[in-house]
Amino acid sequence: AQKITQTQPGMFVQEKEAVTLDCTYDTSDQSYGLFWYKQPSSGEMIFLIYQGSYDEQNATEGRYSLNFQKARKSANLVISASQLGDSAMYFCAMREGSGTDKLIFGTGTRLQVFP
Amino acid sequence: DTGVSQDPRHKITKRGQNVTFRCDPISEHNRLYWYRQTLGQGPEFLTYFQNEAQLEKSRLLSDRFSAERPKGSFSTLEIQRTEQGDSAMYLCASSFPSQLDGELFFGEGSRLTVL
Repeated sequence: AQKITQTQPGMFVQEKEAVTLDCTYDTSDQSYGLFWYKQPSSGEMIFLIYQGSYDEQNATEGRYSLNFQKARKSANLVISASQLGDSAMYFCAMREGSGTDKLIFGTGTRLQVFP
Repeated sequence: DTGVSQDPRHKITKRGQNVTFRCDPISEHNRLYWYRQTLGQGPEFLTYFQNEAQLEKSRLLSDRFSAERPKGSFSTLEIQRTEQGDSAMYLCASSFPSQLDGELFFGEGSRLTVL
């Protein structure tokens, strides 16, 4: 069964510094997709970045990049130049390519950015 | 506003009462999902629809829970005979037809408190 593990309940980072949020996954499928979402205190889940299992290059979206290590089954999110507005919960999620459409989420990491 | 909207945003009810949540997806999205999120956890999949057809239901969706999407547009999630363990945020999301990289667009959620 597919599973997402986020081992960091909380992380602190100083403004303008980079931070890495860890995510490991488990699946028996060869085709799958990995997602990161941000959830501010308002509750809405905001899509940040996507990585496909067959993508050879790491995904990047502005200040967000995904460090994809397929052999280790890890998909860590790197946020560069942290901003105070980055303080939020961050969730890693996975979709398998075997026909199911749902995303399975990890337990999340709370990021706090301080001045 | 063309995003996913949910109503009500907050609901407080007494144990044993029935509650109903409504979700209006993005208009061109034919897939609609319900998730439940408890404090400190990631969203847990409950069910999803393609148009009006309910394609998958989680084991979390007990007999007291029922979801409908009668005309393939908005959806309702009803919880009968609520229990204190039902207290959670209920998130709705929608997406385009199935693609491995298709992100889910989430609403701001409906927070349920059962006293």
